[in-house]
Amino acid sequence: DTGVSQDPRHKITKRGQNVTFRCDPISEHNRLYWYRQTLGQGPEFLTYFQNEAQLEKSRLLSDRFSAERPKGSFSTLEIQRTEQGDSAMYLCASSLQGGLSGNTIYFGEGSWLTVV
Amino acid sequence: QKEVEQNSGPLSVPEGAIASLNCTYSDRGSQSFFWYRQYSGKSPELIMFIYSNGDKEDGRFTAQLNKASQYVSLLIRDSQPSDSATYLCALEHWGKFQFGAGTQVVVTP
Repeated sequence: DTGVSQDPRHKITKRGQNVTFRCDPISEHNRLYWYRQTLGQGPEFLTYFQNEAQLEKSRLLSDRFSAERPKGSFSTLEIQRTEQGDSAMYLCASSLQGGLSGNTIYFGEGSWLTVV
Repeated sequence: QKEVEQNSGPLSVPEGAIASLNCTYSDRGSQSFFWYRQYSGKSPELIMFIYSNGDKEDGRFTAQLNKASQYVSLLIRDSQPSDSATYLCALEHWGKFQFGAGTQVVVTP
């Protein structure tokens, strides 16, 4: 069990550019979550998937954000036309719905985005 | 009103003492409750979860849940300098997890 893996770990981009983050969940986990966290705040929910189906997307999420999980394994989060306010740590988490430990989520190490 | 409320701290605790962290929530339909620890610049790591009213102990940590009063707490016994971190309270409601802003704990030698 290698844990949740995120790539890249750090990204610096110019305002207006597009960025994409990748997440590989724990192998047997069927649920995958994306969160965003800024300094002094808790993780903010963005979206989550069960297998390949996107079950919910935050109403606060701009249309510039899109996420996919095409084969129910890895997921990508794309941010188009980045703005300085997008600077944050983007966290991916996964869980096994119906597992013995209940729906407990485990986080990856996060992807830091800085928009300059 | 935020769905999950925590005192931001910092909570200063002498080494060896008990740290007590509290969390209140607004959604009575919440089913599961979690405590995560987050070191500066790192991602959250799970400490423990609790589903039923009462206490649950895991090593130096004890989680307490009172659904009627809508609060969950975490006790850290024999606090160590390595416990200095931000502690996040989270709840699950129909598959979605909501987090509080966290309480910063500083354990002083």
